[in-house]
Amino acid sequence: GAGVSQSPSNKVTEKGKDVELRCDPISGHTALYWYRQRLGQGLEFLIYFQGNSAPDKSGLPSDRFSAERTGESVSTLTIQRTQQEDSAVYLCASSLAGQTSRSYNEQFFGPGTRLTVL
Amino acid sequence: AQSVTQLGSHVSVSEGALVLLRCNYSSSVPPYLFWYVQYPNQGLQLLLKYTSAATLVKGINGFEAEFKKSETSFHLTKPSAHMSDAAEYFCAVSRASGGYNKLIFGAGTRLAVHP
Repeated sequence: GAGVSQSPSNKVTEKGKDVELRCDPISGHTALYWYRQRLGQGLEFLIYFQGNSAPDKSGLPSDRFSAERTGESVSTLTIQRTQQEDSAVYLCASSLAGQTSRSYNEQFFGPGTRLTVL
Repeated sequence: AQSVTQLGSHVSVSEGALVLLRCNYSSSVPPYLFWYVQYPNQGLQLLLKYTSAATLVKGINGFEAEFKKSETSFHLTKPSAHMSDAAEYFCAVSRASGGYNKLIFGAGTRLAVHP
């Protein structure tokens, strides 16, 4: 269908609450990425999924952050006990699989979820 | 480790003037390099990419960038700015290994175009 979709588009929560952010990748894209964009900064890589496994979680900032993916479809990023420093735009991207030295599979980005922690 | 530096967090140009957004990268191996554009309240859109073919890369909306290995630079240019070019621009680097493409982004440059 269409491009990468994310929900909600905006989320305001109180400090200490848990939040779930959802990403629907482009159909057929087996690779899925989460990034975080803090105000005035570039994007930071959080986690990469190939199918429903996550071979690279190196960007998750703390154990309050977790993510899962159902098959080769929807992914959910969960932040537990939110803190004010978690306020950011969370972007999801998907691509075809199989990055090699001779090919590049473009990442297509969703519109993001703007999270505000009060 | 790979990194990206974008010189100038804000750039302002007149409509019709040359646009030059600077990007320097650090990578121990030949990189893939990208420029993305982010319009207000929208996701990132790929402008152009360098993947070890031609060093002068042409992208959408009249933008182009030149890969200069000796200068470790990948500056973005457009000969004549248009009001619709006002947006935030991100340079990114990745390395083609490990079977996936983790992008490392610069901090971004916000381009303003005034009449």
